[in-house]
Amino acid sequence: NAGVTQTPKFRVLKTGQSMTLLCAQDMNHEYMYWYRQDPGMGLRLIHYSVGEGTTAKGEVPDGYNVSRLKKQNFLLGLESAAPSQTSVYFCASSYWEKIGSWGTGELFFGEGSRLTVL
Amino acid sequence: GESVGLHLPTLSVQEGDNSIINCAYSNSASDYFIWYKQESGKGPQFIIDIRSNMDKRQGQRVTVLLNKTVKHLSLQIAATQPGDSAVYFCAENIRSGSNYQLIWGAGTKLIIKP
Repeated sequence: NAGVTQTPKFRVLKTGQSMTLLCAQDMNHEYMYWYRQDPGMGLRLIHYSVGEGTTAKGEVPDGYNVSRLKKQNFLLGLESAAPSQTSVYFCASSYWEKIGSWGTGELFFGEGSRLTVL
Repeated sequence: GESVGLHLPTLSVQEGDNSIINCAYSNSASDYFIWYKQESGKGPQFIIDIRSNMDKRQGQRVTVLLNKTVKHLSLQIAATQPGDSAVYFCAENIRSGSNYQLIWGAGTKLIIKP
C-alpha cells in the first residue's frame, strides 16, 4: 500500500504562475484534506472534501482552489502564486468512522510538497 | 479565536528518561484530542488519541492525560529513545454541525541527548 502520495515533492514558482498539486490515496477514504505548514505554526487547513464531488473551505482558503473528481484524488490549485504561499503543503485522508457520536481522528498524511514562490 | 497552544517549543531529554510534552487548549466544546509525531522531512503520524469522557489513555510507551478542569493535556513517552526525536503536535477536535475540524498546536520539538 502506498498510502497517501503527493506530487510534486518540490516546486519553485515565479509570482503569478499557476500550478496544481496532486494527492492520491489508495485506502478508499472518504475524507481528504489539504494543509499548509509554516515555521513555528501548526498545520492550517486550506480546503477539505468529505466525499467525491464535494469540497469545502478550511481556515485559509484564499488563493487556492481544489477539486475532487475521483474519490482517490484531491487536487490543490494555485491560480496566481504569491510569495506568501511559500510553504510545505500536506495532503491527508481519513475515514472518520463514527462510533456512537464520536469520530476517530487518525489522518494519514503524505510526505509533503515544498513550494517556493519567488 | 480559540486555539491549541503548547507550553514549550523545545524539550531536551536524556536518552532513557521519560518525556512529558504539554498542551493547553481553550475551546470548551472540544470533545476529542489527538497527538501526532512529525519526523524531519515527513508528514505527521498519528500517535494516540483521547476522548473527553476519559482522563487517561495508554499506548505502547505513550500515555496521554487529559485534565478538563484546566483544559490541559499531556503526552508522556516512557524510556525515550533516539527514534523519538521529532516535533510533536497536539490537535483538538471541534464539531461543526455534522463535520469535524481539527485545530493544531504549533508543535514541540523533542531532542534526545545521548
